[in-house]
Amino acid sequence: DTEVTQTPKHLVMGMTNKKSLKCEQHMGHRAMYWYKQKAKKPPELMFVYSYEKLSINESVPSRFSPECPNSSLLNLHLHALQPEDSALYLCASSQGWASGSGEQFFGPGTRLTVL
Amino acid sequence: AQSVTQLDSQVPVFEEAPVELRCNYSSSVSVYLFWYVQYPNQGLQLLLKYLSGSTLVKGINGFEAEFNKSQTSFHLRKPSVHISDTAEYFCAVSRYGGATNKLIFGTGTLLAVQP
Repeated sequence: DTEVTQTPKHLVMGMTNKKSLKCEQHMGHRAMYWYKQKAKKPPELMFVYSYEKLSINESVPSRFSPECPNSSLLNLHLHALQPEDSALYLCASSQGWASGSGEQFFGPGTRLTVL
Repeated sequence: AQSVTQLDSQVPVFEEAPVELRCNYSSSVSVYLFWYVQYPNQGLQLLLKYLSGSTLVKGINGFEAEFNKSQTSFHLRKPSVHISDTAEYFCAVSRYGGATNKLIFGTGTLLAVQP
């Protein structure tokens, strides 16, 4: 299984809502990532988990809260978002954060719209 | 630090014509090189990668790329494109033997195949 899955595919939320994005992989990868991608731009790294511990937070606002319940799952909790947070949110995984080639496997993304 | 330059933001081409998408990188150390493709409203899919060995790398969907260390380039080529190749293409690098496997992306090239 070389697939990264993400749910939901689409999400519309108000600025006062709380919602979560979910990501799952069963490739035995020990590094998982959250990216934010705006239209016609490359993905921007938000968070990196390595062996279920947060390794990198790229100065992301606290209204985004990541969680890694186990080695296969990655969540992104959303609260009090702003309209400018509307974007495609991509999850990815790789063999390791400090080992291997850096090849990352991406999920299909969640299209988030904040009203 | 590494950086990636994709000089062409958009490449229009007619169906069945050959195409080359350019990628240049800057790094003081050895790198791994990747090309990813992103179809509309989807995640990123790995087209091909250069890790070591032969400088000509073949990928999926008939694409290939050549690593040129002296010119620090990793251009993507296809001898005959199809309408279905219309997508955004991202070149990316990660540092060989680095402390992390952070992917550095180029700004992307939109391949627009016309009938």
